[in-house]
Amino acid sequence: QQQVKQSPQSLIVQKGGISIINCAYENTAFDYFPWYQQFPGKGPALLIAIRPDVSEKKEGRFTISFNKSAKQFSLHIMDSQPGDSATYFCAASGNSGNTPLVFGKGTRLSVIA
Amino acid sequence: GAGVSQSPSNKVTEKGKDVELRCDPISGHTALYWYRQSLGQGLEFLIYFQGNSAPDKSGLPSDRFSAERTGGSVSTLTIQRTQQEDSAVYLCASSTDSNTGELFFGEGSRLTVL
Repeated sequence: QQQVKQSPQSLIVQKGGISIINCAYENTAFDYFPWYQQFPGKGPALLIAIRPDVSEKKEGRFTISFNKSAKQFSLHIMDSQPGDSATYFCAASGNSGNTPLVFGKGTRLSVIA
Repeated sequence: GAGVSQSPSNKVTEKGKDVELRCDPISGHTALYWYRQSLGQGLEFLIYFQGNSAPDKSGLPSDRFSAERTGGSVSTLTIQRTQQEDSAVYLCASSTDSNTGELFFGEGSRLTVL
């Protein structure tokens, strides 16, 4: 059973465009929703995270939008740059992040000039 | 370095052999996690150690997989009688005992079973 469903599997965006990646979850006990960024040959690294008490969180060009009633959250990358080309994973956990994260299958983003 | 260290970075083995993968977490991090990353499958949770508590082994795919964490620091993931489907990148992560939830990952051990 896949607890976090992520789409699309791959995404190609023009430089300067907006990249949007979506995730949906089923477990209503989840209360922590991070996004991780992974470059080839490296481990994933935390990009941005949100808790369900807010509907949006923005850090620089990266924004998480959260819809609790729909059990969905998304990552928006504004003004996408070639350096943003990486694999992005959404994840979720309960107990305010103190339980193991459940990850989506990842989205491979390519930003082309 | 101050990051999570994993070894070996690459391991090629023959089907049926046992392998050991090592993880040295960030000093002071009480939580340690093992994940498996297969092509197109995302990150699959394997096992979680938190302080002196009993580990959460709910993600281990079979009894051929085991892990231990000695002295609350270094961890070893052991795969016995390896199979070709065990080929993957095994990632270790550590975190502090807080509710920030941030995991710090190593670069992984790539296992290839021939």
